[in-house]
Amino acid sequence: EIVLTQSPATLSLSPGERATLYCRASQSVDNYLAWFQQKRGQAPRLLIYDASNRATGIPARFRGSGSGTDFTLTISSLEPEDFAVYYCQQRSNWPLTFGPGTTVEIK
Amino acid sequence: QVQLVQSGAEVREPGSSVKVSCKASRGPFRTNSINWVRQAPGQGLEWMGRIIPVLGTVNSAQKFQGRVTIVADESTRTAYMELSSLRSEDTAVYYCARESYFERSGNYYMDVWGTGTAVTVSS
Repeated sequence: EIVLTQSPATLSLSPGERATLYCRASQSVDNYLAWFQQKRGQAPRLLIYDASNRATGIPARFRGSGSGTDFTLTISSLEPEDFAVYYCQQRSNWPLTFGPGTTVEIK
Repeated sequence: QVQLVQSGAEVREPGSSVKVSCKASRGPFRTNSINWVRQAPGQGLEWMGRIIPVLGTVNSAQKFQGRVTIVADESTRTAYMELSSLRSEDTAVYYCARESYFERSGNYYMDVWGTGTAVTVSS
């Protein structure tokens, strides 16, 4: 099973600041990696697929990068609605696995 | 826009079973896999398994093998996940999520999620 680790666990930032989130895989997942955003009480929402492609309707301030084992999600300038939990997920190997999440909270 | 509407909250006793449904309102159903993902209170996301309705093919996480049954009824556009031998650690919100094909990459990702079903296991 591929284990995904995310860092930091919590990111405390102010609106307008840049957020950088990391996801590391225990073995290569090529670029078969997605990022999801989850707000309290809601289902996750797909932000990024194949490591760097934005899903439909996702603002350009969200940018994904990386391949192999190391990935990054960057939010260039945080909007109030971006404060949430972010998960990475790999679909390179069965079983599909998620990282433990990074909480982006208001400072 | 396709929607996945799930059945309502359930309370079960330890040792019993629960069956959660996930109905697709429109859009493709037969050829898109339906995944089941759960989230324990205050915890992260855990993939349980998936089914491709047109094939009936099921893949599941080893952790749940022997306890989880995933089926799909094409006639009603509904997928079901049944979890047996419930224990308190199975208390969670259970989500279904449809995978869509992304032409740009030729790969599949979960882009439509259900409304979630809260399952509480308690005596």
